[in-house]
Amino acid sequence: DGGITQSPKYLFRKEGQNVTLSCEQNLNHDAMYWYRQDPGQGLRLIYYSQIVNDFQKGDIAEGYSVSREKKESFPLTVTSAQKNPTAFYLCASSIRTELNTIYFGEGSWLTVV
Amino acid sequence: AQSVSQHNHHVILSEAASLELGCNYSYGGTVNLFWYVQYPGQHLQLLLKYFSGDPLVKGIKGFEAEFIKSKFSFNLRKPSVQWSDTAEYFCAVNPQTVYSSASKIIFGSGTRLSIRP
Repeated sequence: DGGITQSPKYLFRKEGQNVTLSCEQNLNHDAMYWYRQDPGQGLRLIYYSQIVNDFQKGDIAEGYSVSREKKESFPLTVTSAQKNPTAFYLCASSIRTELNTIYFGEGSWLTVV
Repeated sequence: AQSVSQHNHHVILSEAASLELGCNYSYGGTVNLFWYVQYPGQHLQLLLKYFSGDPLVKGIKGFEAEFIKSKFSFNLRKPSVQWSDTAEYFCAVNPQTVYSSASKIIFGSGTRLSIRP
């Protein structure tokens, strides 16, 4: 089945450690995105990538980093610089950014203690 | 700044009741509009979308939404809800500019819908 796979689903880390969330899609989509979902705040865009080897900062990029070495993969690293990393992270993709319809993965819960 | 408002944070209804969830946005130009649904334990799914044409849009599972440009609204409706409609619903807006892209999709804060059996 085609889709977006995020792993791990649940992750616990100690404060000060970097952590990388995986996102893989087999939909042949060009564009990929990372959103953060906090209760009562909807989804906020962290980073997005329109093509391989290119990515742009979203609204809340500070403390995060990404790479896009392959079309199907867009991993997100939550660094120790991120002040409030505990959240639900959603990866998404779309055919082209112009078409403006995004498909989402199932999400990853990150808890930093 | 562009924003999307969903004023109802939590709505509780009985089965067979009619549903209307409000969504208002702040942007004076052309927009693409979306409703997404997130069922418990599942990923976000597209419920329906409006790009142009008939302002009354029909989506999956009996949902529909009406775009009223003069009111900057895109309310979601369903005539008779079921217990399986229990979920969180997100309205989203994509302001259209010369350089429009999905990166500019702005999400509302969501409305949690609980249906009593």
